[in-house]
Amino acid sequence: ETGVTQSPTHLIKTRGQQVTLRCSSQSGHNTVSWYQQALGQGPQFIFQYYREEENGRGNFPPRFSGLQFPNYSSELNVNALELDDSALYLCASSKGDRGYYEQYFGPGTRLTVT
Amino acid sequence: AQSVTQLDSHVSVSEGTPVLLRCNYSSSYSPSLFWYVQHPNKGLQLLLKYTSAATLVKGINGFEAEFKKSETSFHLTKPSAHMSDAAEYFCIVGGYQKVTFGTGTKLQVIP
Repeated sequence: ETGVTQSPTHLIKTRGQQVTLRCSSQSGHNTVSWYQQALGQGPQFIFQYYREEENGRGNFPPRFSGLQFPNYSSELNVNALELDDSALYLCASSKGDRGYYEQYFGPGTRLTVT
Repeated sequence: AQSVTQLDSHVSVSEGTPVLLRCNYSSSYSPSLFWYVQHPNKGLQLLLKYTSAATLVKGINGFEAEFKKSETSFHLTKPSAHMSDAAEYFCIVGGYQKVTFGTGTKLQVIP
């Protein structure tokens, strides 16, 4: 069984640029959630995709957007990068969109905005 | 509505002594409760999960947690700390709604 994978591992971008992060969900999972984890903080929920539709969003501006593909892999796009976007971005997949399903996390993408 | 409170932001124990990480929750429904561990610059790993079966849940690496409805608690314990247990631990409540994360507890293990 393949676990959750994320790419790239690390990324350095300049303020104002755009970035795309990728996540492959675990086999059999139809839900992907994205989280932002700033240094020394807990993960903050960005949004969730369930069967290719956005299915819940945290307190993040519209410049954070995403996609989920028919194979349930997912992308997180961030436009107009700001310095405060520097963080570890985690994706997690699960068997469904309800909170009682355990989530399986990828290793994360470390984004640095300069 | 649901919420979760991790009562200690930092816990320090000596190697070989017991570990207790405290978590209280609030939920309008019968919750699912999870403990995850995060080592530095890594993703989160599921330690254990409570879903209304046995109140004492055994997880990986010798950890266990007890669900106490009357106290709305789900504390994580381990009889004997190992150096490799040094990490950050997150208590999470879930249910019909999306999951809610606690703020995390950093566990330091002193040799």
